Amino acid sequence: KNEVEQSPQNLTAQEGEFITINCSYSVGISALHWLQQHPGGGIVSLFMLSSGKKKHGRLIATINIQEKHSSLHITASHPRDSAVYICAVRNTDKLIFGTGTRLQVFP
Amino acid sequence: DAGITQSPRHKVTETGTPVTLRCHQTENHRYMYWYRQDPGHGLRLIHYSYGVKDTDKGEVSDGYSVSRSKTEDFLLTLESATSSQTSVYFCAISKGTASTGELFFGEGSRLTVL
Repeated sequence: KNEVEQSPQNLTAQEGEFITINCSYSVGISALHWLQQHPGGGIVSLFMLSSGKKKHGRLIATINIQEKHSSLHITASHPRDSAVYICAVRNTDKLIFGTGTRLQVFP
Repeated sequence: DAGITQSPRHKVTETGTPVTLRCHQTENHRYMYWYRQDPGHGLRLIHYSYGVKDTDKGEVSDGYSVSRSKTEDFLLTLESATSSQTSVYFCAISKGTASTGELFFGEGSRLTVL
């Protein structure tokens, strides 16, 4: 079993829909990262969380340390949000990555 | 943006040839990482560095070596490339500490070994 599990693996949505991507982990962590990767592109860090909630524009990330679970929400989704979203956790000085959620938003 | 550049961005080579990928940063961050990304796998750590001449192995280090003779450069070498090393390679840095620093990635280097 992977130490970091993301769901769903693939997600399609219509423009304007509210989107949730989930990340569960089984190890102790000092921080959790949400990353975005556009097709053929580099990887961009969206959020780093160790507790609570963070918001940036239409993106919201939450984390529940007790339940070992984090969610990434996208409000009013847009086709430019189409990308792979990757969850990664910090376990001591090591990063453990999920396999990503591929999101496609159609106009 | 942490001023990370990778080179080359694309390379095609033949089995058995040596290959070196370079990661260059402009902000003197201490922690640097090399990952490979393959379909069906999350990013997997090859090697990492926590300072000049201080490096350590990651989970998929076989067939790879690294060097860090200057803070700004972290080199990944495939001594004798194999087809299983066809992948996209990403360099990353951690701004701040290894356990809590924000992550920044390079643009990736796509390597094809024929």
